[in-house]
Formats: sequence, structure tokens, C-alpha cells
Amino acid sequence: GDSVTQMEGPVTLSEEAFLTINCTYTATGYPSLFWYVQYPGEGLQLLLKATKADDKGSNKGFEATYRKETTSFHLEKGSVQVSDSAVYFCALRGMNTGFQKLVFGTGTRLLVSP
Amino acid sequence: NAGVTQTPKFRILKIGQSMTLQCTQDMNHNYMYWYRQDPGMGLKLIYYSVGAGITDKGEVPNGYNVSRSTTEDFPLRLELAAPSQTSVYFCASRDLKNQPQHFGDGTRLSIL
Repeated sequence: GDSVTQMEGPVTLSEEAFLTINCTYTATGYPSLFWYVQYPGEGLQLLLKATKADDKGSNKGFEATYRKETTSFHLEKGSVQVSDSAVYFCALRGMNTGFQKLVFGTGTRLLVSP
Repeated sequence: NAGVTQTPKFRILKIGQSMTLQCTQDMNHNYMYWYRQDPGMGLKLIYYSVGAGITDKGEVPNGYNVSRSTTEDFPLRLELAAPSQTSVYFCASRDLKNQPQHFGDGTRLSIL
């Protein structure tokens, strides 16, 4: 079945450092890919998405490119801030998941220090 | 806009008790979902609904029940609480136009 694999955290960075959180997926066909962010005590919020190969999703300085050849959707940000500290989830919506349910990775916690 | 509202935010139950987690959305979304999030894990789908009167099982439905009598409300029922159901529960909704899911803030449930 469809699955998402994320790098384990926590990822600990200093403010203004470069961020990469790896995400790879297994799915048939061409799934849609998402990054969600969860701030402490809150629900998940959509950060960005990409619906076809080579699409680049971007929002709030974060970017991710849908790479079909490597089945990856890595999240990047050039300069992180303390306020980016959160848990980040990669997810896919497959073509054959029935009623378009999301399949989530296990999440990666990001800790940014001043 | 309120979006997706979940109540309560926190609850402690004793083993064998029952309770209902409430979820309501004001966006007129047809699709609604219940997930549980265990420590260090991703979200697992419990139940989902594609519209009023229609529900179906997700990956981990055992020990839970749902109903969907209106478009707005999608309550999740635990009949006999067990320690394995200690988790954070998230409700989400989505409209018909292939848009992303909107999540509530979650209900943290502990069963002792």
C-alpha cells in the first residue's frame, strides 16, 4: 500500500540555519504530496502542496519539489526562525486510496534555538 | 470563521467508561475524518464520512463508532475505554473540490 517515510527527529538548528527534512514515498501512479505543520498544542495546518511531478510548493519561505524519479518531496528553508519550531508531517493522497484519504509520515520535530 | 471545532480539549477517563468526542465544522464540507496521533507516530485514520448518513472504517476503527446525521457534525464514540485508546484525536474536513483537509486543534484523551 501507499506509505510515507520521513527522517527521524528531532532536528536541532540555530536561527538562520538552512533546513532540510527528507521525505520519500511509495505509491502507485501520481499521488498528491503535502507538508503539514503542527505547532505545540494545535492541530495540523497545511504548509504547502504539489500535485504533479516537478511541481514546487512554497509557503512562508518553505519549499518542496515533487521528484517523481526519486519519489521524494523534501522540505527546505533557507533561514529558519525560532517560530518555525514545530512538528512537520509529510503526507500523500494517492490515486487509489479511496475517498482520497491522507497517508502521513511519522513527523519530524524541528527545534530552532536563538 | 471557526473552521473545525473539537470538544473537549482534554479528558481523563477510567477504563470501561464511555464518552463522545465532538467535532463540528462550519465550512459546509462533505468529507470528514477522525484520526488518532500516538507519540512518535503519524496520524492513523479511524473513520471517515463522505456526507450526511454515510460513514466508513479507516485503518484503526476497533473500539470506536461514529455517526453523521448532519453535514456539520461528526462525533466519535468510545464505548468501553481502554488504555490503548490513550491518544490525541484530530478531526478534519474537506470539501468536494479536491482541496486539502482542515484540522481541528485536537482532543487529548488519557485512559487510566
